[in-house]
Amino acid sequence: QKEVEQDPGPLSVPEGAIVSLNCTYSNSAFQYFMWYRQYSRKGPELLMYTYSSGNKEDGRFTAQVDKSSKYISLFIRDSQPSDSATYLCAIFSGGYNKLIFGAGTRLAVHP
Amino acid sequence: DAGITQSPRHKVTETGTPVTLRCHQTENHRYMYWYRQDPGHGLRLIHYSYGVKDTDKGEVSDGYSVSRSKTEDFLLTLESATSSQTSVYFCAISEDTTNTGELFFGEGSRLTVL
Repeated sequence: QKEVEQDPGPLSVPEGAIVSLNCTYSNSAFQYFMWYRQYSRKGPELLMYTYSSGNKEDGRFTAQVDKSSKYISLFIRDSQPSDSATYLCAIFSGGYNKLIFGAGTRLAVHP
Repeated sequence: DAGITQSPRHKVTETGTPVTLRCHQTENHRYMYWYRQDPGHGLRLIHYSYGVKDTDKGEVSDGYSVSRSKTEDFLLTLESATSSQTSVYFCAISEDTTNTGELFFGEGSRLTVL
């Protein structure tokens, strides 16, 4: 079993839609939960990170963590064509100094 | 953008040949990493460095070696390339040990082994 599971998609939505991207993880030792965004032919860049359970909002993006069910989500409101990219979830354990990435979900937002 | 330069950006080589990928940073960050990215696997850590001449293995280190003789340069070497090493390779840096998981990535080096 992979430590982080992420549906690779692709996910295709119309402009303005609310997008929900999700990952599950297996080890409760991980404390930091991140979302990286990767445009085609580019390196990933950190979009958001959260510590422990709860929500974190940044503009149109909301990251949500439910540690009891080991489930992390990224919501994109009012999606734009410029949001078209691959989104990778990642989990980090400071104790293990271990950073694990999901496989990434490819998102296409069409006008 | 973080000052990370990878070279070459694209390379086609034949099985059995040696290949070296270079990562150069201008941020003076202590930690440097080499990842490979393959469909269905996401990013997987090959090797990382926590200082000059200090390196350690990641989860997919077999067939790869690294060297760091200067803070700014981290080299990844495939001693004898195989087709299974066809991938996109990303270098990443972090200011300190990944205490939050924030890495800064280069633009990638696309390697094809025929």
